[in-house]
Amino acid sequence: DAKTTQPPSMDCAEGRAANLPCNHSTISGNEYVYWYRQIHSQGPQYIIHGLKNNETNEMASLIITEDRKSSTLILPHATLRDTAVYYCIVRVALGAGNMLTFGGGTRLMVKP
Amino acid sequence: EPEVTQTPSHQVTQMGQEVILRCVPISNHLYFYWYRQILGQKVEFLVSFYNNEISEKSEIFDDQFSVERPDGSNFTLKIRSTKLEDSAMYFCASSDLDLTAYEQYFGPGTRLTVT
Repeated sequence: DAKTTQPPSMDCAEGRAANLPCNHSTISGNEYVYWYRQIHSQGPQYIIHGLKNNETNEMASLIITEDRKSSTLILPHATLRDTAVYYCIVRVALGAGNMLTFGGGTRLMVKP
Repeated sequence: EPEVTQTPSHQVTQMGQEVILRCVPISNHLYFYWYRQILGQKVEFLVSFYNNEISEKSEIFDDQFSVERPDGSNFTLKIRSTKLEDSAMYFCASSDLDLTAYEQYFGPGTRLTVT
């Protein structure tokens, strides 16, 4: 799986958009970009994933650059409950046995 | 919304004892996983399980570890002889058969403390 690089920490004001960047310059054509988050020692939570098109769901939007070498997770209106560690993971979507490899992630602190 | 459950939430055991951590995956899921997270460190993959056999395992998952799906609902992780360094949060996860949307759903974790 391609390696990802994320800033170790970010702050965001409550109610504002949180934009979390991820670099994955060695991504392969068949690798997806996944985002998970972990709120204070809880189990990681899936947020969103994409291959090359931008994606949006009820939690967030994922913007993938045209060359797919980087992406941005956008939380449109961050709340205090969005304070968490956010992980960008790049991997092939295959069948059974495909583990998730978590890096250090970005610790997002949403402040009042 | 369906969720993965884990019991117990906290397990304290003495070094050398056997422990069994239990998980109930989401009912229609077919792939099951165990991860662990030592305090302050990254989440680490241990093992994946499909069709009643191990699909993949990490170097951490040595002979002291085993997994089992004893019935149609439970998925267990056994540590035969616990060591101090096994103290960690253990997360169970499951996913379904959709091969293009490989979302893993995690449980709340079991905190294992080995004394």
